[in-house]
Amino acid sequence: EAQVTQNPRYLITVTGKKLTVTCSQNMNHEYMSWYRQDPGLGLRQIYYSMNVEVTDKGDVPEGYKVSRKEKRNFPLILESPSPNQTSLYFCASSSRRGGAWDTNYEQYFGPGTRLTVT
Amino acid sequence: QKEVEQNSGPLSVPEGAIASLNCTYSDRGSQSFFWYRQYSGKSPELIMSIYSNGDKEDGRFTAQLNKASQYVSLLIRDSQPSDSATYLCAVNGNQFYFGTGTSLTVIP
Repeated sequence: EAQVTQNPRYLITVTGKKLTVTCSQNMNHEYMSWYRQDPGLGLRQIYYSMNVEVTDKGDVPEGYKVSRKEKRNFPLILESPSPNQTSLYFCASSSRRGGAWDTNYEQYFGPGTRLTVT
Repeated sequence: QKEVEQNSGPLSVPEGAIASLNCTYSDRGSQSFFWYRQYSGKSPELIMSIYSNGDKEDGRFTAQLNKASQYVSLLIRDSQPSDSATYLCAVNGNQFYFGTGTSLTVIP
């Protein structure tokens, strides 16, 4: 079954304790991305990756790190979590359509990780 | 100004009616436009994508794009209670931007 998986699904942690949220896709997609979703603010892109070893900042990258060493995996790292990073996090992946590198990405989302930082 | 704007709703329609959801965007260079449906506590699910001006129909869903007006809409015909969800408009320009969503309730 084609899917995007995230782990853990729920996490409660304390300020400053490093954590990693894993994301994996089995669709051989080039493009992967991380979002956070907050009430009233919608989905905001944190980081994205166009392919292995290629990552770039999204709209809200502060306090986050990512890496893309393998095509299927795109972990999100919070080196020193703070309470304002309490949120619902989604990983997404997509392939590119039509041969164009920068158009027509239809993203498919993982189930989400609900993170609480106290 | 937000990159993507949607009416937050809530929008209520009776079962069998047409639901109309609207979205405007600010980046004239945007090339790809998407509608996602999100049930409470679940992840967004892609329901429509549109890349050129005009209408695109898929079953009960029709997406409409007008790049000159920077406007994209979603029509849901014969609305069903199972269509009750939040609908997210997404636009791909330099980055992906999502609207905050419109909450739709279909009343049986």
